[in-house]
Amino acid sequence: DAGVIQSPRHEVTEMGQEVTLRCKPISGHDYLFWYRQTMMRGLELLIYFNNNVPIDDSGMPEDRFSAKMPNASFSTLKIQPSEPRDSAVYFCASSLTETQYFGPGTRLLVL
Amino acid sequence: DAKTTQPPSMDCAEGRAANLPCNHSTISGNEYVYWYRQIHSQGPQYIIHGLKNNETNEMASLIITEDRKSSTLILPHATLRDTAVYYCIVRVWGETSGSRLTFGEGTQLTVNP
Repeated sequence: DAGVIQSPRHEVTEMGQEVTLRCKPISGHDYLFWYRQTMMRGLELLIYFNNNVPIDDSGMPEDRFSAKMPNASFSTLKIQPSEPRDSAVYFCASSLTETQYFGPGTRLLVL
Repeated sequence: DAKTTQPPSMDCAEGRAANLPCNHSTISGNEYVYWYRQIHSQGPQYIIHGLKNNETNEMASLIITEDRKSSTLILPHATLRDTAVYYCIVRVWGETSGSRLTFGEGTQLTVNP
């Protein structure tokens, strides 16, 4: 299996622009997670899905952030409009049992 | 989920065993101890987990004290590639809690040649 796939790996955009991050979980996994990592706040959970349904979005910082999972093999995290403080590494992870498998992350820089 | 306490950093000589401690004095009876690590610029990687018995896999061993208030992750023969931040996480596994992980500060392990 190729593992969790994230795209793009790097994204540089200007403040106010829309940013869409993509994730393909490991086939057969029924949980999908979006995390954000910054130097100041460390690794924090934004939202997670079970069987394509959002279960807990309490970590989503504000309404500018939205996440969808239209099917079992694809999820998006959208930021609109983006701000410089959104600059971070965004990780997607998936799981079937207790173990979460993380993707390589998307490094986002908002200028 | 119970809170964990780890030393911020540790050093280890290559080829020696690395012993990473974790305190979780408020752990509940149904909470597991998980260890993940994050090598620089990569996503976190699962290492091992356990409930109350000691566990071993191809990567490491996990020793949990009898009262379950602390544990130690052991890398038996550390290599330079084991340099990473190691996270000890305590959480419940169940249908309502999903498999939420709460990452703390972790321990930066540096393996020296």
